[in-house]
Amino acid sequence: ETGVTQTPRHLVMGMTNKKSLKCEQHLGHNAMYWYKQSAKKPLELMFVYSLEERVENNSVPSRFSPECPNSSHLFLHLHTLQPEDSALYLCASSLLPGSGETQYFGPGTRLLVL
Amino acid sequence: AQSVAQPEDQVNVAEGNPLTVKCTYSVSGNPYLFWYVQYPNRGLQFLLKYITGDNLVKGSYGFEAEFNKSQTSFHLKKPSALVSDSALYFCAVRDPYKLSFGAGTTVTVRA
Repeated sequence: ETGVTQTPRHLVMGMTNKKSLKCEQHLGHNAMYWYKQSAKKPLELMFVYSLEERVENNSVPSRFSPECPNSSHLFLHLHTLQPEDSALYLCASSLLPGSGETQYFGPGTRLLVL
Repeated sequence: AQSVAQPEDQVNVAEGNPLTVKCTYSVSGNPYLFWYVQYPNRGLQFLLKYITGDNLVKGSYGFEAEFNKSQTSFHLKKPSALVSDSALYFCAVRDPYKLSFGAGTTVTVRA
């Protein structure tokens, strides 16, 4: 798991707060992903970045704003979240998407919105 | 769209017995299939994948999976389960940039 790191590991925020989740990969990959894992629901892809360009935005509300300044770092900026946004947010990285490359996941950030 | 299904929410086995976690897929074209495992409060760990070639794929921690095209299945297997194998297991398919995951199967191995 040290190939992909995420900070913070736990976050509690109010609905009016602004916070950011950080992901860093040390695997030399050039694609990065944000997934949301909620209880009793399958993992949902939120965003995909390939070579620092967003290639997929999976109908995610605008209160989630991703940023990929370089191929090693990925952020998820959060503002005016709702309690139903409480979940485990997982970052992953891979070589360029489109074939059989493996995605490697970080440990996740457990988010609680009050 | 590509998809996978995991028909069992839970699998319970005794330590030392064979473990099977089922996965079926629905794809157009050639499937790229993956298995991941998630331990409590951890991210997903890659176990194995099928891209092409041999239908029996060997992976980490003694796990293997058999790709069966006629049955559109990709079941995960371990000949002798350990208590430490207790975790949440996900099957996934490449679709095309993302991974589409099954709902997950909770495996409990009792001592």
